[in-house]
Amino acid sequence: AQKVTQAQTEISVVEKEDVTLDCVYETRDTTYYLFWYKQPPSGELVFLIRRNSFDEQNEISGRYSWNFQKSTSSFNFTITASQVVDSAVYFCALSEGETSGSRLTFGEGTQLTVNP
Amino acid sequence: KAGVTQTPRYLIKTRGQQVTLSCSPISGHRSVSWYQQTPGQGLQFLFEYFSETQRNKGNFPGRFSGRQFSNSRSEMNVSTLELGDSALYLCASSLALGGMNEQFFGPGTRLTVL
Repeated sequence: AQKVTQAQTEISVVEKEDVTLDCVYETRDTTYYLFWYKQPPSGELVFLIRRNSFDEQNEISGRYSWNFQKSTSSFNFTITASQVVDSAVYFCALSEGETSGSRLTFGEGTQLTVNP
Repeated sequence: KAGVTQTPRYLIKTRGQQVTLSCSPISGHRSVSWYQQTPGQGLQFLFEYFSETQRNKGNFPGRFSGRQFSNSRSEMNVSTLELGDSALYLCASSLALGGMNEQFFGPGTRLTVL
């Protein structure tokens, strides 16, 4: 069965610091998809990125970057020069190819607090 | 394009009652999934609907049910409410079935069971 682990429950940083959120996953499928979502206090999950299992290229989007390593089953998320608006709960999620439809298995989430 | 909408946003019920939550997906999206979020269990998948048919189901008791209409709008129903059903219920829509499709979430319905 699939599993996603986010070992960091809470992280607190000062504005402008870089921060990395860890995500480790388990799956038996060879085709799968990894996601990161942000959940601000309002509650709505905001989609950040999707990665498929065949694409290990790292991705950068502004201050956000993602490092996907199949060898260690990790999909880590780095925020560079953090800002107060980055404060939220961040979830890593896994979807197993075609067999599970669109079903997402979420990690426990990491509460990020960026202090001014 | 309007996002996923959920109604109502907040709901207070008492044990033993039943409740119906509604979700309108993004226009053109045909797959709707439901998730329950609680502090203790985190985000858990309830079920997924596509073309008015339930395609996947999570590990929840039969008190939790849902349906999808021809316009892709979906409802979920919880009967005989228990205190433990207090949670944020999130609906997500995607273009089609399959993990390659991005899922977009609504603001959620916060259900409190007294």
